[in-house]
Amino acid sequence: SQTIHQWPATLVQPVGSPLSLECTVEGTSNPNLYWYRQAAGRGLQLLFYSVGIGQISSEVPQNLSASRPQDRQFILSSKKLLLSDSGFYLCAWNSAGELFFGEGSRLTVL
Amino acid sequence: EDKVVQSPLSLVVHEGDTVTLNCSYEVTNFRSLLWYKQEKKAPTFLFMLTSSGIEKKSGRLSSILDKKELFSILNITATQTGDSAVYLCAVEAQGGSEKLVFGKGTKLTVNP
Repeated sequence: SQTIHQWPATLVQPVGSPLSLECTVEGTSNPNLYWYRQAAGRGLQLLFYSVGIGQISSEVPQNLSASRPQDRQFILSSKKLLLSDSGFYLCAWNSAGELFFGEGSRLTVL
Repeated sequence: EDKVVQSPLSLVVHEGDTVTLNCSYEVTNFRSLLWYKQEKKAPTFLFMLTSSGIEKKSGRLSSILDKKELFSILNITATQTGDSAVYLCAVEAQGGSEKLVFGKGTKLTVNP
């Protein structure tokens, strides 16, 4: 069966520090992968999606970047975090139109 | 730009009440509408709707889509405290990337 792993689950980082969130998918090949962010009181905002290795599409201009070095690995990064980067980050993959989510990473930037 | 609007944003009811959550959308080349339930962490899938007028049902939850009027409703009957969650509506447009656009969600609180 397909599973999606995301880590770390919780992160507290100072402003200006780097970020790396990692997501891996098991049990499927060549999945479409997504990074969403959920700020307090807001819905899920699509940040990046990837249809294959090295293929990244950005939905909104921001301080973050994404990479897909392997078929089932999707990484969200930042070189210098801002306060506004705080939020709940969710990795997801799409199967037949349904999104399956990882457990999420809660990032607090102080 | 694709848009999903959910109402109400929050709702407080008592156990046993029936609730109706609304989702309206504007999307180019509509493909499907999905409902998710989010408790503490990741959203969990409830329903996928692609055709108008066909009710999907799972226990006390049901949902229906109206593609002419561009909206969907999620009904929960005989609510329980375990139904307390944020309910998210999302739409998928045809176009290859299978992106879902989410609404802001409805926060439902069921009090005993």
